[in-house]
Amino acid sequence: DAGVIQSPRHEVTEMGQEVTLRCKPISGHDYLFWYRQTMMRGLELLIYFNNNVPIDDSGMPEDRFSAKMPNASFSTLKIQPSEPRDSAVYFCASSQTSGSYNEQFFGPGTRLTVL
Amino acid sequence: SQKIEQNSEALNIQEGKTATLTCNYTNYSPAYLQWYRQDPGRGPVFLLLIRENEKEKRKERLKVTFDTTLKQSLFHITASQPADSATYLCALDIAYGQNFVFGPGTRLSVLP
Repeated sequence: DAGVIQSPRHEVTEMGQEVTLRCKPISGHDYLFWYRQTMMRGLELLIYFNNNVPIDDSGMPEDRFSAKMPNASFSTLKIQPSEPRDSAVYFCASSQTSGSYNEQFFGPGTRLTVL
Repeated sequence: SQKIEQNSEALNIQEGKTATLTCNYTNYSPAYLQWYRQDPGRGPVFLLLIRENEKEKRKERLKVTFDTTLKQSLFHITASQPADSATYLCALDIAYGQNFVFGPGTRLSVLP
């Protein structure tokens, strides 16, 4: 398996624009997680899905952020409108059963810069 | 308030020595604790998981301890090598298998 795939790897956009980050989890994994990492706040969980259903989105910072998982092999994280404080590295991770019982496999991340 | 701390932001040790990293937490009662390694520009990679009823776990040169009374986990790398240089993150289960919170990480540098 190729591992968790994220695209794009880098995104530079201007404030106010819509940004869509994409993730393909490892085949057979039933949990998918979206994280954000910054120097100030470290690695933060934004939202996670189980069998394509959002379970906990309490980490989503604002209504400007939304995430979907239309099927088992694809998820998106959208920011609309984007702001400079959204600049961070966004990671997608997947796991089988519960992420706490088993390891999470992280993608390479998307580095987002909002000017 | 709930908090996770990892000893120092950065730790430098000499090659061949044992590196010891600390993860302390307050106001959590995790049933599981994991350690991850993160290299620059890459996502975290899972290393070890330890359960609350386990005192110690080993994997090759790695050893993890978990003291729920002290609310602390120690992560040891024996016979450290320059290739062990990375940031190490602890992660606590905060909803009995449903959710995670990560510590800020410790950047380890093993000097040749």
